[in-house]
Amino acid sequence: AQKVTQAQTEISVVEKEDVTLDCVYETRDTTYYLFWYKQPPSGELVFLIRRNSFDEQNEISGRYSWNFQKSTSSFNFTITASQVVDSAVYFCALRGMEYGNKLVFGAGTILRVKS
Amino acid sequence: EPEVTQTPSHQVTQMGQEVILRCVPISNHLYFYWYRQILGQKVEFLVSFYNNEISEKSEIFDDQFSVERPDGSNFTLKIRSTKLEDSAMYFCASRPGLLTGELFFGEGSRLTVL
Repeated sequence: AQKVTQAQTEISVVEKEDVTLDCVYETRDTTYYLFWYKQPPSGELVFLIRRNSFDEQNEISGRYSWNFQKSTSSFNFTITASQVVDSAVYFCALRGMEYGNKLVFGAGTILRVKS
Repeated sequence: EPEVTQTPSHQVTQMGQEVILRCVPISNHLYFYWYRQILGQKVEFLVSFYNNEISEKSEIFDDQFSVERPDGSNFTLKIRSTKLEDSAMYFCASRPGLLTGELFFGEGSRLTVL
């Protein structure tokens, strides 16, 4: 089965703290893509990153960084020095060949950053 | 920057009425999707569309739902007889090609069924 688990339902931090959002996935595919999307209060889905299964190199983009570990089937997302504008729901998602190439989302993690 | 556009942004309808949600995918994209998000819940796959036909659909996508690409630019989701539980945000998405992983999402259409 193809599945994405985001065990953290909600996280609250104070501004400037670092925060890591966990994502664990399951798939039988050998080729697959992993994603993170941000959903701010306005409701749209904002693409943050795509990773393919052959590229385990971690990535940093400004205050955002991603740690992809195939050995533990995890694709965690860290925000450094969080800001109030980071408050949103964050979704991890998986796309593989097993289920017709559709995107399967995790349940999402609500991040609240307080000033 | 090209984007997926959806109309209406919000629609309120009475139970039993037909609703059509419209999407204009990015022009050179080949794969089209509808997803649904009931308030406070996860984003769920409804249907994918490629080469003018449905390539996959979920259990949610029953006979009350249909999709169409009538004119090569629009991609529509029709709900024939809405139920209260159809109240949700509906997202349209498109993707360029088979090997490119990223789906580009529209801003969503919020449907409220009374």
